[in-house]
Amino acid sequence: QSALTQPASVSGSPGQSITISCTGTSSDIGGYKYVSWYQQHPGKAPKVIIYDVSNRPSGVSNRFSGSKSGNTASLTISGLQAEDEADYYCCSYSSSSSWVFGGGTELTVL
Amino acid sequence: QVQLEQSGAEVKKPGASVKISCKASGYTFTAYYMYWLRQAPGQGPEWMGIINPDGGSTTYAQKFQDRVTVTRDTSTTTVYMELSSLTSEDTAVYYCATPPIYYDSSGYLFDSWGQGTQVTVSS
Repeated sequence: QSALTQPASVSGSPGQSITISCTGTSSDIGGYKYVSWYQQHPGKAPKVIIYDVSNRPSGVSNRFSGSKSGNTASLTISGLQAEDEADYYCCSYSSSSSWVFGGGTELTVL
Repeated sequence: QVQLEQSGAEVKKPGASVKISCKASGYTFTAYYMYWLRQAPGQGPEWMGIINPDGGSTTYAQKFQDRVTVTRDTSTTTVYMELSSLTSEDTAVYYCATPPIYYDSSGYLFDSWGQGTQVTVSS
């Protein structure tokens, strides 16, 4: 069982927006501004798309955005494209000087 | 650019140990921490430990505290992760990763990743 809770799957049509939630505790998400999100295509290593709650690395589309409220972080993908179909994982630094991940959300673009 | 080249797939029997290497290039090796993570089939990544290549100090996840050892060789810019007392639950893809090298951040994220090393534990 993962430390952070994500929905197992979400879906949306091309052009639509979707939001993936990630719920933790005050010892991880609620206690730090160190939430990151990763996109993973089959057989590939995860790729960071959001860091420090809401920042995007250079080269990541501005269709990806992140936010946090209390113990819950969210990833929003706007203008869905077929290439966005992948698994998404949230991650947070935690009070035990470690990092915790969510179990992952499978995004299907209909 | 940052490159992390990991060693090849391993098949081990229960009770054995495995040692995986991660050769870093494209940046100043001793200036950035190196993380180890793993991902079991169908699951999210799991953080295992971190090493400061400048001095070699380490921190491990409590879950692996008694079984994992991370070391580095600064002469070859290579980090090693050894996991002992393997069971079938250790079957996973193991990754090394670094924080961002070429952009500003808190550093509390995994930016560059190795290609992964499949470890299969089976009798």
